[in-house]
Amino acid sequence: DVKVTQSSRYLVKRTGEKVFLECVQDMDHENMFWYRQDPGLGLRLIYFSYDVKMKEKGDIPEGYSVSREKKERFSLILESASTNQTSMYLCASSTSDGTYEQYFGPGTRLTVT
Amino acid sequence: GQNIDQPTEMTATEGAIVQINCTYQTSGFNGLFWYQQHAGEAPTFLSYNVLDGLEEKGRFSSFLSRSKGYSYLLLKELQMKDSASYLCAVRDPLKAAGNKLTFGGGTRVLVKP
Repeated sequence: DVKVTQSSRYLVKRTGEKVFLECVQDMDHENMFWYRQDPGLGLRLIYFSYDVKMKEKGDIPEGYSVSREKKERFSLILESASTNQTSMYLCASSTSDGTYEQYFGPGTRLTVT
Repeated sequence: GQNIDQPTEMTATEGAIVQINCTYQTSGFNGLFWYQQHAGEAPTFLSYNVLDGLEEKGRFSSFLSRSKGYSYLLLKELQMKDSASYLCAVRDPLKAAGNKLTFGGGTRVLVKP
């Protein structure tokens, strides 16, 4: 059974703080993704990675960075959190063959005050 | 660019059938996914279509017409537990994209007794 875990379910941070969101998958997947999900806007891709130390910008990368030092771990970094980054953050992973389905973690609800 | 449209909300009665439409205008196409997401939970994979036609999986079926840029998800014999959001997503055709998906806004389905 594929498992994607995220470091926190709920997180409250102050404006200007540096925030780290961690994601770990246990299925040796090449691809990993960070999304944010907001009401009325659906899932939007922030960054993704198709290999260790490789990263690609998604549709809304501004204000975020990522790190992938090991295959199983993909971190999302908010360098200086702002209130408009209050959102649900979802991590996902997938293989590069087969049906390519993405497996999602449980999500982190981040509130920036 | 990618543009994916699906209705915001649908209501149906337990035992009935509901069809959720998804239209897409994308710069390329390499497969279409449907995901189910219950409130407060992560999305889970339902189906993947890459060729035209109907794919059936128990009570759920998914149809694709590439020439029309159109897909639908059909839910039969609706149960209360089918109340959820249903997300349509298109896969980016670029090989280097690492299985990047673009999601529609999601359709919230409410099943009433």
